[in-house]
Amino acid sequence: SAVISQKPSRDICQRGTSLTIQCQVDSQVTMMFWYRQQPGQSLTLIATANQGSEATYESGFVIDKFPISRPNLTFSTLTVSNMSPEDSSIYLCSVEGGLSLNYGYTFGSGTRLTVV
Amino acid sequence: GDSVTQMEGPVTLSEEAFLTINCTYTATGYPSLFWYVQYPGEGLQLLLKATKADDKGSNKGFEATYRKETTSFHLEKGSVQVSDSAVYFCALRLGGTSYGKLTFGQGTILTVHP
Repeated sequence: SAVISQKPSRDICQRGTSLTIQCQVDSQVTMMFWYRQQPGQSLTLIATANQGSEATYESGFVIDKFPISRPNLTFSTLTVSNMSPEDSSIYLCSVEGGLSLNYGYTFGSGTRLTVV
Repeated sequence: GDSVTQMEGPVTLSEEAFLTINCTYTATGYPSLFWYVQYPGEGLQLLLKATKADDKGSNKGFEATYRKETTSFHLEKGSVQVSDSAVYFCALRLGGTSYGKLTFGQGTILTVHP
């Protein structure tokens, strides 16, 4: 299955600033997914990123707040913009493992963001 | 809309006890179903999956059977270990216009005592 390198693993940021999270995959994938896991909560999909097209955002998430880049088939970034304490969460990227779901979905190790 | 409901937690068991974590879903179409595990301080790992009705997924002593008639995918283990302490997430994946996205349940915290 795919291996994902996600960074940074954690950060503490001042409110009003922005943080860019990177995900690097060791194989080419069509779709990459970005999730948010708020403290003590489940995972919520933020957006789906396809190479060469605009990301598709889920209800409640907007591009101005969470701009996404997908410059090639192995890399994507998620930016959390103009942060507030409510953005404190774990952010995870994910890709489909391949072989018609034989490997399920692979997740990055996550970025634990604290906004102060 | 599509959703996944897991049993309320946290669940606390003694080592070697039997584990069941209930998961039911609501979905249009025929989803694939997954159980993911998140160990303390780590990311999500796929535990097991089933892609069609009556399939049984199994891994590390855990099992779950895709029951279309009851729209359920309950996770079971016959004898839990302290190392099984983690958060367990049930999830579904649809095809069609929702292709690829996972919908997660709220997670169930499992604590196993020696």
